[in-house]
Amino acid sequence: KNQVEQSPQSLIILEGKNCTLQCNYTVSPFSNLRWYKQDTGRGPVSLTIMTFSENTKSNGRYTATLDADTKQSSLHITASQLSDSASYICVVSENDYKLSFGAGTTVTVRA
Amino acid sequence: DTAVSQTPKYLVTQMGNDKSIKCEQNLGHDTMYWYKQDSKKFLKIMFSYNNKELIINETVPNRFSPKSPDKAHLNLHINSLELGDSAVYFCASSQDKNTDTQYFGPGTRLTVL
Repeated sequence: KNQVEQSPQSLIILEGKNCTLQCNYTVSPFSNLRWYKQDTGRGPVSLTIMTFSENTKSNGRYTATLDADTKQSSLHITASQLSDSASYICVVSENDYKLSFGAGTTVTVRA
Repeated sequence: DTAVSQTPKYLVTQMGNDKSIKCEQNLGHDTMYWYKQDSKKFLKIMFSYNNKELIINETVPNRFSPKSPDKAHLNLHINSLELGDSAVYFCASSQDKNTDTQYFGPGTRLTVL
């Protein structure tokens, strides 16, 4: 069983609307959690990295939250744009060299 | 300038062949990685090198052999290619450890016929 579970698997939203993606993990010990955006046909690009002590971190219209007690994270996209259409991957690090990847959530933004 | 570059972008080959994928980063990073992304978009780390030394070697068939001639390059050589090797392979680099931001290359789509 994967140690990082993302939901939903995919979602479709209208341009200008907000959406929230979920990431639950069982990785332990925990070092940090990051969200990546992967456009079709391209490599992932880092959006945010949060350590144990951080509850929220923003990058433009992207806001990530972390609850290390419940081992849950979310990525909120505000006022979505067509360019937000991509796969969003949650990655949890348990130490300096071990990363666990979620399967990703595919977001489609429609005009 | 491209930070992390890979060649080739596409690779189509027959089963049983040997092929290499090259990766270069011009960010001055100490750590480089190879990832495999399968058809379900799941990213899996294969190898990680820090200053030319292997630090992560996940459960990968020994047909896959990474080579790091210097810390700016990490090439992936694959022997006796199999159908199941078809995937997109991503190279990445980070300043030091996995905990640092990783910068990914554009990927190499490998198709084994």
